[in-house]
Amino acid sequence: EVQLLESGGGLVQPGGSLRLSCAASGFNFGIYSMTWVRQAPGKGLEWVSTISGSGSSPTYYAESVKGRFTISRDNSRNRLYVQMNSLRAEDTAVYYCVAGYQLLDLDYWGQGTLVTVSS
Amino acid sequence: SYELTQPSSMSVSPGQTATITCSGDILAKKYARWFQQKPGQAPVMVIYRDIQRPSGIPERFSGSRSGTTVTLTISGAQLEDEADYYCYSAADNNWVFGGGTKMTVL
Repeated sequence: EVQLLESGGGLVQPGGSLRLSCAASGFNFGIYSMTWVRQAPGKGLEWVSTISGSGSSPTYYAESVKGRFTISRDNSRNRLYVQMNSLRAEDTAVYYCVAGYQLLDLDYWGQGTLVTVSS
Repeated sequence: SYELTQPSSMSVSPGQTATITCSGDILAKKYARWFQQKPGQAPVMVIYRDIQRPSGIPERFSGSRSGTTVTLTISGAQLEDEADYYCYSAADNNWVFGGGTKMTVL
């Protein structure tokens, strides 16, 4: 059974940093692209960032997070990460970890972790 | 950048057919997927490649396409189908969600 478990969310002040993790199991992690999708409270889904199965360049970012977020993965540990710096109130959202067999696919979703940016 | 446009809300009576459309130029390049999201839950894919239904998804869910518009049809809507529905497509390193349709069954 495919499982994706996000962690690392919480309350952070504007301008602060946070690192989210996603632990994957039940599938061949190293051949799946991985994506972060977020959902602000009461709003729709927003694509954030994607990384290929190998983790090699390029990585892809939404304009709203480019230069502030960095996606990475550790295939030896079946882990996906996103380092989020210079956080803003508008980054407040549930962040979902999503696996896709191809780069543009969104096949399996985690349950999400909530990030709240507030003073 | 690409956009996908879908109605923000709609309602259907139990047992009736619900249709949700999604249109956008990106659909000329790639297939669409549909996700169902219930309150407090992660999205679940109900249609992929415009018309394919994943295993475990009820047969009442179907998809179709006409040009750059795709449609999700729920034939004989059930109370448990009340949810938000999002279309999605991706091409040219653009990953795009529609704004979501809140479907009420009453």
